[in-house]
Amino acid sequence: GQQVMQIPQYQHVQEGEDFTTYCNSSTTLSNIQWYKQRPGGHPVFLIQLVKSGEVKKQKRLTFQFGEAKKNSSLHITATQTTDVGTYFCAGKDSNYQLIWGAGTKLIIKP
Amino acid sequence: DTEVTQTPKHLVMGMTNKKSLKCEQHMGHRAMYWYKQKAKKPPELMFVYSYEKLSINESVPSRFSPECPNSSLLNLHLHALQPEDSALYLCASSQDLGRGGVSYEQYFGPGTRLTVT
Repeated sequence: GQQVMQIPQYQHVQEGEDFTTYCNSSTTLSNIQWYKQRPGGHPVFLIQLVKSGEVKKQKRLTFQFGEAKKNSSLHITATQTTDVGTYFCAGKDSNYQLIWGAGTKLIIKP
Repeated sequence: DTEVTQTPKHLVMGMTNKKSLKCEQHMGHRAMYWYKQKAKKPPELMFVYSYEKLSINESVPSRFSPECPNSSLLNLHLHALQPEDSALYLCASSQDLGRGGVSYEQYFGPGTRLTVT
């Protein structure tokens, strides 16, 4: 079946360093959503990207949707302890199902 | 009120027990979802209800039985579960199902942590 590949699985950063997670689909997506799940918590919606080449910002978070609508990225500038958690992308495929990426866990080094 | 509530928070049940998980939302959302999430994995879709009718069943074993009594409530009845069914069960809702290329953000509840012994 169709998959959305998300890398890396984990990223360890020092507080203040940047963080990026990438999602790639083998087929064109209708749109892509991003969710954050804190440790012990539940997924919380961050944003949805719909248009080819779209870029959206939320404070230190920058979300991009590729020109071919097959890839997306989330970049966090100057990470803070509150950013800790697992970030999931979820893309809507041609069958109109939401396909979740495996998630990238952001870990702040002590 | 943008909250989805789930009860109970934790549940331990034996393989011969029958139990139910409950989910409630008061946002007027017409789509409701059950997900299963294992540790270090993404949520895995189980069932989708749209306008109180079962819309999607992702080939879930019959020991899981969903029910949507009204537009605000969603239940998941459990019977004869296996230890491998232990997981976090998440309920979510969205404004609508999202037809064609349209998607709506999903609001998740805190989940029920289920342990099958």
